[in-house]
Amino acid sequence: ILNVEQSPQSLHVQEGDSTNFTCSFPSSNFYALHWYRWETAKSPEALFVMTLNGDEKKKGRISATLNTKEGYSYLYIKGSQPEDSATYLCAPSLANSGYALNFGKGTSLLVTP
Amino acid sequence: DSGVTQTPKHLITATGQRVTLRCSPRSGDLSVYWYQQSLDQGLQFLIQYYNGEERAKGNILERFSAQQFPDLHSELNLSSLELGDSALYFCASSVEGNRVNYGYTFGSGTRLTVV
Repeated sequence: ILNVEQSPQSLHVQEGDSTNFTCSFPSSNFYALHWYRWETAKSPEALFVMTLNGDEKKKGRISATLNTKEGYSYLYIKGSQPEDSATYLCAPSLANSGYALNFGKGTSLLVTP
Repeated sequence: DSGVTQTPKHLITATGQRVTLRCSPRSGDLSVYWYQQSLDQGLQFLIQYYNGEERAKGNILERFSAQQFPDLHSELNLSSLELGDSALYFCASSVEGNRVNYGYTFGSGTRLTVV
Protein backbone atom coordinates (compact mmCIF):
# COMPACT_ATOMS: atom_id res chain seq x y z
CA ILE A 1 0.00 0.00 0.00
CA LEU A 2 1.39 3.36 -1.06
CA ASN A 3 1.97 5.92 1.68
CA VAL A 4 0.15 9.08 0.59
CA GLU A 5 -0.33 11.58 3.38
CA GLN A 6 -2.59 14.60 3.23
CA SER A 7 -2.77 17.32 5.84
CA PRO A 8 -4.67 18.70 7.48
CA GLN A 9 -7.40 16.07 7.62
CA SER A 10 -10.03 18.79 7.82
CA LEU A 11 -10.18 22.54 7.69
CA HIS A 12 -12.85 25.10 8.51
CA VAL A 13 -12.33 28.63 7.20
CA GLN A 14 -14.36 31.77 6.75
CA GLU A 15 -15.40 33.05 3.36
CA GLY A 16 -12.59 35.16 1.91
CA ASP A 17 -9.81 33.34 3.75
CA SER A 18 -6.98 31.83 1.75
CA THR A 19 -5.90 28.33 2.61
CA ASN A 20 -3.52 25.59 1.57
CA PHE A 21 -3.19 21.84 1.95
CA THR A 22 -0.27 19.46 1.71
CA CYS A 23 0.16 16.13 -0.01
CA SER A 24 3.26 14.02 0.57
CA PHE A 25 4.11 10.90 -1.40
CA PRO A 26 7.04 8.59 -2.20
CA SER A 27 9.43 10.41 -4.51
CA SER A 28 10.92 7.28 -6.08
CA ASN A 29 9.40 5.95 -9.30
CA PHE A 30 7.31 9.10 -9.54
CA TYR A 31 5.41 9.77 -12.75
CA ALA A 32 2.61 12.26 -12.03
CA LEU A 33 0.62 13.87 -9.25
CA HIS A 34 -3.13 14.40 -9.58
CA TRP A 35 -5.46 16.60 -7.52
CA TYR A 36 -9.20 15.91 -7.39
CA ARG A 37 -12.11 17.78 -5.89
CA TRP A 38 -14.88 15.69 -4.34
CA GLU A 39 -18.14 17.33 -3.34
CA THR A 40 -20.57 15.53 -1.08
CA ALA A 41 -22.94 13.21 -2.96
CA LYS A 42 -21.01 13.68 -6.18
CA SER A 43 -18.06 11.98 -7.88
CA PRO A 44 -14.44 13.11 -7.68
CA GLU A 45 -13.52 15.58 -10.42
CA ALA A 46 -10.01 16.12 -11.76
CA LEU A 47 -8.42 19.49 -10.95
CA PHE A 48 -4.78 19.22 -11.97
CA VAL A 49 -2.24 16.76 -13.30
CA MET A 50 1.41 17.66 -12.76
CA THR A 51 4.47 15.73 -13.85
CA LEU A 52 7.56 17.95 -13.67
CA ASN A 53 9.44 19.12 -10.59
CA GLY A 54 8.55 22.76 -10.05
CA ASP A 55 5.28 22.50 -11.99
CA GLU A 56 2.66 25.05 -11.08
CA LYS A 57 -0.94 24.80 -12.25
CA LYS A 58 -3.77 27.27 -11.79
CA LYS A 59 -7.53 27.16 -12.30
CA GLY A 60 -9.33 30.29 -11.20
CA ARG A 61 -8.64 30.80 -7.49
CA ILE A 62 -7.10 27.35 -7.05
CA SER A 63 -3.45 26.61 -7.74
CA ALA A 64 -1.01 23.80 -7.06
CA THR A 65 2.73 23.28 -6.93
CA LEU A 66 4.86 20.16 -7.14
CA ASN A 67 8.20 19.11 -5.66
CA THR A 68 9.11 15.67 -6.95
CA LYS A 69 12.54 15.56 -5.34
CA GLU A 70 11.18 15.73 -1.82
CA GLY A 71 7.79 14.21 -2.62
CA TYR A 72 5.21 16.86 -1.84
CA SER A 73 2.59 19.05 -3.46
CA TYR A 74 0.66 22.05 -2.17
CA LEU A 75 -2.85 23.07 -3.15
CA TYR A 76 -3.79 26.72 -2.57
CA ILE A 77 -7.22 28.31 -2.57
CA LYS A 78 -7.27 32.09 -2.65
CA GLY A 79 -10.29 33.88 -1.21
CA SER A 80 -12.26 30.74 -0.30
CA GLN A 81 -15.96 30.69 -1.16
CA PRO A 82 -18.69 28.43 0.27
CA GLU A 83 -18.82 26.59 -3.06
CA ASP A 84 -15.20 25.52 -2.49
CA SER A 85 -16.40 23.29 0.32
CA ALA A 86 -15.39 19.77 -0.67
CA THR A 87 -12.81 17.08 -0.01
CA TYR A 88 -9.58 17.59 -1.93
CA LEU A 89 -7.76 14.41 -2.88
CA CYS A 90 -4.24 13.99 -4.14
CA ALA A 91 -3.09 10.91 -6.00
CA PRO A 92 0.42 10.11 -7.18
CA SER A 93 0.99 7.89 -10.15
CA LEU A 94 4.10 5.73 -9.79
CA ALA A 95 5.88 3.65 -12.38
CA ASN A 96 6.26 0.68 -10.02
CA SER A 97 2.53 0.44 -9.33
CA GLY A 98 1.32 0.29 -12.90
CA TYR A 99 0.68 4.06 -13.02
CA ALA A 100 -2.73 3.62 -11.40
CA LEU A 101 -3.62 6.49 -9.08
CA ASN A 102 -3.17 5.92 -5.36
CA PHE A 103 -5.39 8.35 -3.48
CA GLY A 104 -4.75 9.94 -0.13
CA LYS A 105 -7.60 10.20 2.39
CA GLY A 106 -8.10 13.83 1.45
CA THR A 107 -8.48 17.17 3.15
CA SER A 108 -12.07 18.10 3.95
CA LEU A 109 -12.63 21.84 3.54
CA LEU A 110 -15.63 23.69 4.91
CA VAL A 111 -16.03 27.36 4.01
CA THR A 112 -18.70 29.24 5.93
CA PRO A 113 -20.14 32.65 5.01
CA ASP B 1 -23.40 13.45 -16.10
CA SER B 2 -19.71 12.51 -16.30
CA GLY B 3 -20.23 10.00 -19.08
CA VAL B 4 -19.26 7.05 -16.87
CA THR B 5 -22.32 4.99 -15.97
CA GLN B 6 -22.44 2.73 -12.95
CA THR B 7 -25.28 0.43 -12.03
CA PRO B 8 -26.89 -0.19 -9.69
CA LYS B 9 -26.60 2.92 -7.52
CA HIS B 10 -27.53 1.04 -4.37
CA LEU B 11 -27.36 -2.62 -3.47
CA ILE B 12 -28.31 -4.37 -0.26
CA THR B 13 -27.47 -8.03 0.11
CA ALA B 14 -26.80 -10.66 2.73
CA THR B 15 -23.49 -12.09 3.87
CA GLY B 16 -22.27 -14.98 1.76
CA GLN B 17 -23.99 -13.74 -1.36
CA ARG B 18 -22.50 -12.71 -4.69
CA VAL B 19 -23.15 -9.46 -6.54
CA THR B 20 -22.08 -7.90 -9.83
CA LEU B 21 -21.41 -4.21 -10.29
CA ARG B 22 -21.43 -2.77 -13.78
CA CYS B 23 -19.59 0.14 -15.35
CA SER B 24 -19.75 1.68 -18.80
CA PRO B 25 -16.80 3.98 -19.48
CA ARG B 26 -16.96 7.40 -21.10
CA SER B 27 -17.13 7.18 -24.88
CA GLY B 28 -13.62 6.81 -26.28
CA ASP B 29 -12.01 5.73 -23.03
CA LEU B 30 -10.31 2.35 -23.14
CA SER B 31 -9.27 2.02 -19.49
CA VAL B 32 -11.55 1.17 -16.62
CA TYR B 33 -10.44 1.36 -12.99
CA TRP B 34 -12.27 0.07 -9.94
CA TYR B 35 -11.91 1.69 -6.52
CA GLN B 36 -13.37 0.90 -3.12
CA GLN B 37 -14.09 3.45 -0.44
CA SER B 38 -14.82 2.01 2.99
CA LEU B 39 -15.67 3.96 6.12
CA ASP B 40 -12.76 6.20 7.16
CA GLN B 41 -10.65 4.94 4.29
CA GLY B 42 -9.51 6.71 1.17
CA LEU B 43 -10.17 5.46 -2.30
CA GLN B 44 -8.44 2.09 -2.52
CA PHE B 45 -7.39 0.95 -5.99
CA LEU B 46 -8.67 -2.51 -6.85
CA ILE B 47 -7.95 -3.26 -10.48
CA GLN B 48 -7.51 -1.72 -13.94
CA TYR B 49 -8.51 -3.04 -17.35
CA TYR B 50 -7.36 -1.65 -20.66
CA ASN B 51 -9.08 -2.62 -23.90
CA GLY B 52 -10.23 -5.92 -22.47
CA GLU B 53 -7.05 -6.93 -20.67
CA GLU B 54 -6.04 -6.64 -17.05
CA ARG B 55 -3.40 -3.94 -16.78
CA ALA B 56 -2.75 -3.35 -13.08
CA LYS B 57 -3.85 -4.85 -9.81
CA GLY B 58 -4.16 -3.22 -6.43
CA ASN B 59 -5.60 -4.39 -3.13
CA ILE B 60 -8.22 -6.65 -4.63
CA LEU B 61 -9.33 -9.63 -2.56
CA GLU B 62 -9.35 -13.11 -4.06
CA ARG B 63 -13.14 -13.17 -3.54
CA PHE B 64 -13.39 -10.29 -5.99
CA SER B 65 -12.88 -10.48 -9.71
CA ALA B 66 -13.44 -8.24 -12.68
CA GLN B 67 -13.49 -8.29 -16.44
CA GLN B 68 -13.82 -5.90 -19.35
CA PHE B 69 -15.92 -6.92 -22.32
CA PRO B 70 -15.42 -6.20 -26.05
CA ASP B 71 -17.81 -3.26 -25.84
CA LEU B 72 -15.49 -1.93 -23.08
CA HIS B 73 -17.99 -2.09 -20.27
CA SER B 74 -16.65 -3.71 -17.13
CA GLU B 75 -18.09 -5.78 -14.34
CA LEU B 76 -16.80 -6.21 -10.80
CA ASN B 77 -17.90 -9.46 -9.17
CA LEU B 78 -17.90 -9.70 -5.40
CA SER B 79 -18.52 -13.11 -3.88
CA SER B 80 -18.83 -14.67 -0.42
CA LEU B 81 -19.69 -11.22 0.81
CA GLU B 82 -18.77 -10.17 4.32
CA LEU B 83 -20.01 -7.27 6.42
CA GLY B 84 -16.66 -5.54 5.86
CA ASP B 85 -17.26 -5.43 2.12
CA SER B 86 -19.88 -2.76 2.65
CA ALA B 87 -18.49 0.26 0.85
CA LEU B 88 -18.87 2.70 -2.00
CA TYR B 89 -17.45 1.20 -5.18
CA PHE B 90 -16.35 3.63 -7.87
CA CYS B 91 -15.54 3.00 -11.47
CA ALA B 92 -13.38 5.47 -13.37
CA SER B 93 -12.26 5.60 -16.97
CA SER B 94 -9.49 7.23 -18.93
CA VAL B 95 -8.40 7.31 -22.53
CA GLU B 96 -4.90 6.23 -21.59
CA GLY B 97 -3.85 2.72 -20.78
CA ASN B 98 -0.65 3.37 -18.97
CA ARG B 99 0.74 6.77 -18.02
CA VAL B 100 -2.25 8.88 -17.05
CA ASN B 101 -1.78 12.49 -18.11
CA TYR B 102 -5.36 13.62 -18.38
CA GLY B 103 -6.91 12.26 -15.23
CA TYR B 104 -9.80 9.96 -14.60
CA THR B 105 -13.51 10.45 -15.10
CA PHE B 106 -15.44 8.90 -12.26
CA GLY B 107 -18.87 7.36 -12.22
CA SER B 108 -21.36 8.12 -9.47
CA GLY B 109 -20.56 4.94 -7.57
CA THR B 110 -22.43 1.91 -6.28
CA ARG B 111 -23.25 1.86 -2.58
CA LEU B 112 -23.06 -1.76 -1.39
CA THR B 113 -24.49 -2.68 1.97
CA VAL B 114 -23.95 -6.21 3.27
CA VAL B 115 -26.28 -7.21 6.09
